[in-house]
Order: sequence, then structure tokens, then C-alpha cells
Amino acid sequence: DVKVTQSSRYLVKRTGEKVFLECVQDMDHENMFWYRQDPGLGLRLIYFSYDVKMKEKGDIPEGYSVSREKKERFSLILESASTNQTSMYLCASTDRGTGDTGELFFGEGSRLTVL
Amino acid sequence: AQSVTQLGSHVSVSEGALVLLRCNYSSSVPPYLFWYVQYPNQGLQLLLKYTSAATLVKGINGFEAEFKKSETSFHLTKPSAHMSDAAEYFCAVTLGADYKLSFGAGTTVTVRA
Repeated sequence: DVKVTQSSRYLVKRTGEKVFLECVQDMDHENMFWYRQDPGLGLRLIYFSYDVKMKEKGDIPEGYSVSREKKERFSLILESASTNQTSMYLCASTDRGTGDTGELFFGEGSRLTVL
Repeated sequence: AQSVTQLGSHVSVSEGALVLLRCNYSSSVPPYLFWYVQYPNQGLQLLLKYTSAATLVKGINGFEAEFKKSETSFHLTKPSAHMSDAAEYFCAVTLGADYKLSFGAGTTVTVRA
């Protein structure tokens, strides 16, 4: 069964702290994504990666960075957390192959509160 | 660019009644369309997907959706709601595996006993 694992389900951090959100997938997928979910706004794409060491900005990259040193792992970094980054963060992955439809497989989410 | 609009942020239905969630898309080329469901405190899971094979798509838990190109719609239905259907539902569109998936704002479904 496919699996996307986010290391922390709930985090509470203080303003200015550096925050790491880790995501690991066991499906050998090339593409990985970080979304932010807020009520009434749906899911908004922060960053995505099509391959190891590759990254591309999504729709709302400001205040975030990412790292993909290994194919299975995609990390989201908040260099200096702010209260407006309090949100649910969702990691997802998808395969990249002939005829693939782009269906995403999601982790359970990391709910971050910044005080 | 592609996008989706979900009409109605909240839908309340009685148990046993029809569930209808509306989704309209915009895309310059034939898209792939998805409905995802999110139960409280969980990630999203796929309900069903349209990949141009058939316009009426059947998914899990008794849900189905019909792709209507002339109306640029992909509405989700279930004939008889169950209490376990209470969740948030997202419509999404992409042009393929190498493209970003764009999500609607979501529709929260509550089911009344």
C-alpha cells in the first residue's frame, strides 16, 4: 500500500523559530509537493520537486524553502516562523510516467501553530 | 492555466438524501479531474478521477461524477447520504503528471440524522 509519512502531526513553535517539516514516501515517486491548507482557501501549492535536488516555486513560496537530497524525502523549512504561517501543511507525491494522470498521494498533514 | 471553482462552501443534507457537490473547471486543453475527500484530522484521499476514458466516473463509497465538457463541469453525487460522508470535499484539476494540481476551495458536508 502506498505511503506518505509526515513526521510531525502537531507542532507548536514560537515566532522567529526555524521549523522543519519532514515528508517521506515509499513509492519511488519522482514528484513531491508541499501544500498549505487554510479554511475557505483550499490547498495552495508552496513548493514542488520533480527530481532530487530540484525544486520549483509554487503559488505561495514566500517565507518557505525546501530541500530534496534523496528521492524519497522532501523537507519544508520555515526559516523564521511567523504567526501567519499557522496552518495545516500537507505533503503529497505522484509518479511520473507515460499515461500517468497526476493523481496525488497525500500524507496525513502537519498542523503547525506559531505563537 | 487551469483552475476549478466549487460552488457552495457548506452543504447540509439529511441522512438518506441525495448529495450533490458542484465543481466547474477552466482549462485550455482537456484536463484530468479529481475529487478528493478529507475526514477530520486526516490527509486527502482520492474519491474518483476522470481521465477521458468515460464521462461517468464511479468512485469509492458510492460516489460518482459526470464530466460534461459543454458545461465545463464535474459535479459529484451520491444517491443516499450516510453519516460517515460528513467530511470536506475538494475538486481538483491538472493537465497531467508533469503539471501542478489545482484545487478548489473545498465544500464541507454535514449529514443530519
